[in-house]
Amino acid sequence: GIQVEQSPPDLILQEGANSTLRCNFSDSVNNLQWFHQNPWGQLINLFYIPSGTKQNGRLSATTVATERYSLLYISSSQTTDSGVYFCAVRVDTSGTYKYIFGTGTRLKVLA
Amino acid sequence: DTGVSQDPRHKITKRGQNVTFRCDPISEHNRLYWYRQTLGQGPEFLTYFQNEAQLEKSRLLSDRFSAERPKGSFSTLEIQRTEQGDSAMYLCASSFSVRGGSTYEQYFGPGTRLTVT
Repeated sequence: GIQVEQSPPDLILQEGANSTLRCNFSDSVNNLQWFHQNPWGQLINLFYIPSGTKQNGRLSATTVATERYSLLYISSSQTTDSGVYFCAVRVDTSGTYKYIFGTGTRLKVLA
Repeated sequence: DTGVSQDPRHKITKRGQNVTFRCDPISEHNRLYWYRQTLGQGPEFLTYFQNEAQLEKSRLLSDRFSAERPKGSFSTLEIQRTEQGDSAMYLCASSFSVRGGSTYEQYFGPGTRLTVT
């Protein structure tokens, strides 16, 4: 089955620093989402980005579907950015589909 | 709309007992998904519904697990004869899809944390 790998697995930043998180997937996918899981476990939507580039405040994301990767950029990081970042891809199978989550990047932003 | 809600938020049960969780999706969403997440891992897909029809089931969903969405609105996930390995966060998500067309982004509920002692 499809493999979804994220890098780096862990990241520690000083407040104000920038970072790039990567999501690689091993097969064609039909859409891709980025989520932030906060310390209470809630998954928060960041981007729905099957292809192209989107920006939302200090965050932006780029998906290059033909090369099977997506990037999440965090600029001017804040302590509230801490948590785990997941990408999730949709895999279509025989008329139905399922979502596969990546391995996650655990981010800690220090004050 | 207040988003996806799940009940209960926490459940502690003894091994061998049955448990049932409820998920209420965003009202106009016709697709509903169940996931399981264990500590340090990403969510794992269990099953999803298009309205009341259950269209995909993961092999993770053993015979002890059953999910329903009887009227295409809320859904329940039941685990029979719970085992300690069932301890996890159970997440529900919903989305809107157009027949024969696009499926839009999923929105997740807060989850139900199950502890089997």
